[in-house]
Amino acid sequence: DAKTTQPPSMDCAEGRAANLPCNHSTISGNEYVYWYRQIHSQGPQYIIHGLKNNETNEMASLIITEDRKSSTLILPHATLRDTAVYYCIVGGTGTASKLTFGTGTRLQVTL
Amino acid sequence: KAGVTQTPRYLIKTRGQQVTLSCSPISGHRSVSWYQQTPGQGLQFLFEYFSETQRNKGNFPGRFSGRQFSNSRSEMNVSTLELGDSALYLCASSSLDYREQFFGPGTRLTVL
Repeated sequence: DAKTTQPPSMDCAEGRAANLPCNHSTISGNEYVYWYRQIHSQGPQYIIHGLKNNETNEMASLIITEDRKSSTLILPHATLRDTAVYYCIVGGTGTASKLTFGTGTRLQVTL
Repeated sequence: KAGVTQTPRYLIKTRGQQVTLSCSPISGHRSVSWYQQTPGQGLQFLFEYFSETQRNKGNFPGRFSGRQFSNSRSEMNVSTLELGDSALYLCASSSLDYREQFFGPGTRLTVL
């Protein structure tokens, strides 16, 4: 599975958009980009995933570059409850049940 | 629909003992994966079961084992516990298309 690189931490003001970057330069053609987050002491929570097209759901938007070597998770209006560690993971559907978590980005949303 | 449940939530054991953790997946989900989370190593994949068969395995010693029952409930067992086995053990279930995994709250194991 391709590895990912994320900044260790980011801050965001409440109500503003949080843009979390992820580099996955070795991603292969059939690998998806998954985003999960983990709020302190809870199990990780699925946010969104995509292959090549941009995706949006009720939680977030996922922007994948045309060469698929990087992506950005966007939380349009961050709230204090979005404070968490965000993990960007790449893998094929056959390995989606075997997620390889990196160190993630610790997002701190502040007033 | 009920989420993934794990029991017990907290457990304290001593070195050399063994432990069994239980996971009940979301109804209809047949894939169950187990992960170990420690401050030093982060979240690491242990193994995955699908239809009572182990389908994927992470890089853990044979002291870590698991099984899945016909109702998709899963158990994991750790024998001869070591201090380094202290961790949060997470279970996740997914449906057939494996697009997303749903995680339980975890079992926090402390080995003294």
